[in-house]
Amino acid sequence: AQSVTQLDSQVPVFEEAPVELRCNYSSSVSVYLFWYVQYPNQGLQLLLKYLSGSTLVKGINGFEAEFNKSQTSFHLRKPSVHISDTAEYFCAVSETGGYNKLIFGAGTRLAVHP
Amino acid sequence: SAVISQKPSRDICQRGTSLTIQCQVDSQVTMMFWYRQQPGQSLTLIATANQGSEATYESGFVIDKFPISRPNLTFSTLTVSNMSPEDSSIYLCSVFTGVNTEAFFGQGTRLTVV
Repeated sequence: AQSVTQLDSQVPVFEEAPVELRCNYSSSVSVYLFWYVQYPNQGLQLLLKYLSGSTLVKGINGFEAEFNKSQTSFHLRKPSVHISDTAEYFCAVSETGGYNKLIFGAGTRLAVHP
Repeated sequence: SAVISQKPSRDICQRGTSLTIQCQVDSQVTMMFWYRQQPGQSLTLIATANQGSEATYESGFVIDKFPISRPNLTFSTLTVSNMSPEDSSIYLCSVFTGVNTEAFFGQGTRLTVV
């Protein structure tokens, strides 16, 4: 079975500052890794995903994440945040092979202040 | 990609009643997933629905409480039965598409039980 730990429940940051949202996972099998964003009163939107290959993954809205197999981590980063990045961010994992359920972390609330 | 429509988008229900949530996808998909997001929390998988077979429920969720139908490859329903205030949550439908490595989500059904 897989599990996901998001190490920070809330991350406050000032506009134009860099940010890192941390995610660690646990699994006995190969996994795919995902970051989703949920804006207030909206559904989930995929930011980026790691399937295989390069460990540095670039996503939408200037976000990127790095897969570290030895650390079992998949931290999300953005060099300069905007007010509009204020949202809930979820790290998720699924077994490789397709058609597999997503297991979500508890979420990190990113609050960007002017 | 996939476009998922959920109905209703929100509802307020009396305890002891039942609500059926509909999920319509704009393309044929093999598996559909139902998640629950309790207030301020992450997403928890309720069950996986395959067309033509009974849904597979996760630990803590039972068919009598959350019956699911999957009559064809583009449609599914989730019923929340004999509701109590603890069932107040957002319920989301999700599908995998493409190469089965990206999950798409509906906008969710915000349920309040009074």
